[in-house]
Amino acid sequence: QVQLVESGGGVVQPGRSLRLSCAASGFTFSSYGMHWVRQAPGKGLEWVAIISSDGSKKYYADSVKGRFSISRDNSKNTLYLQMNSLRVEDTAVYYCAKDYAHWGQGTLVTVSS
Amino acid sequence: QSALTQPASVSGSPGQSITISCTGTSSDVGGYNYVSWYQQHPGKVPKLMIYDVTNRPSGVSNRFSGSKSGNTASLTISGLQAEDEADYYCASYTSSNTLDVFGTGTKVTVL
Repeated sequence: QVQLVESGGGVVQPGRSLRLSCAASGFTFSSYGMHWVRQAPGKGLEWVAIISSDGSKKYYADSVKGRFSISRDNSKNTLYLQMNSLRVEDTAVYYCAKDYAHWGQGTLVTVSS
Repeated sequence: QSALTQPASVSGSPGQSITISCTGTSSDVGGYNYVSWYQQHPGKVPKLMIYDVTNRPSGVSNRFSGSKSGNTASLTISGLQAEDEADYYCASYTSSNTLDVFGTGTKVTVL
């Protein structure tokens, strides 16, 4: 069965960086585009980024463009989200998702001084 | 890219039907048949309920149905049950350079 397991969340100061990972199993990872979606505490879902199956195409929400970078390593079945210049408003649970039909459990990122 | 517009809350009694709207533009909801709906219970991961406007994934109750007219998509829940009480989000492909957008979310309350 499809499994997505995020890691790398934590508490970080504004302006610092963090890299999230999403380990995938139970499907042919290299055949699917993958998403990052986030949810601030008590708020709605916000799409963050998508990467194509081969990693050649990447798209970002305006709120993270220029600061976040999505990537993948198909040899390791792993999706990444490099988050730079973090802001307080980036505080959220970050989910990776395949086709939106399968979601990880999420990892919490807290940006606070 | 602005979020798609949903009512903040919708309520109904057990057994009734309710409809949640999701309003966008011709660049997203109105321009493509790539609208999806998600159910999220408190503290839980979102669950896909409808994809490509009208399609239900395997295992989703047929009490859930989707439709679209112009720039507005809708999710109808028939025979409302207590377990349907949750937050619901729509999402759509968009021709803007961001590719995907979610709705603002709707809290469904079963009276």
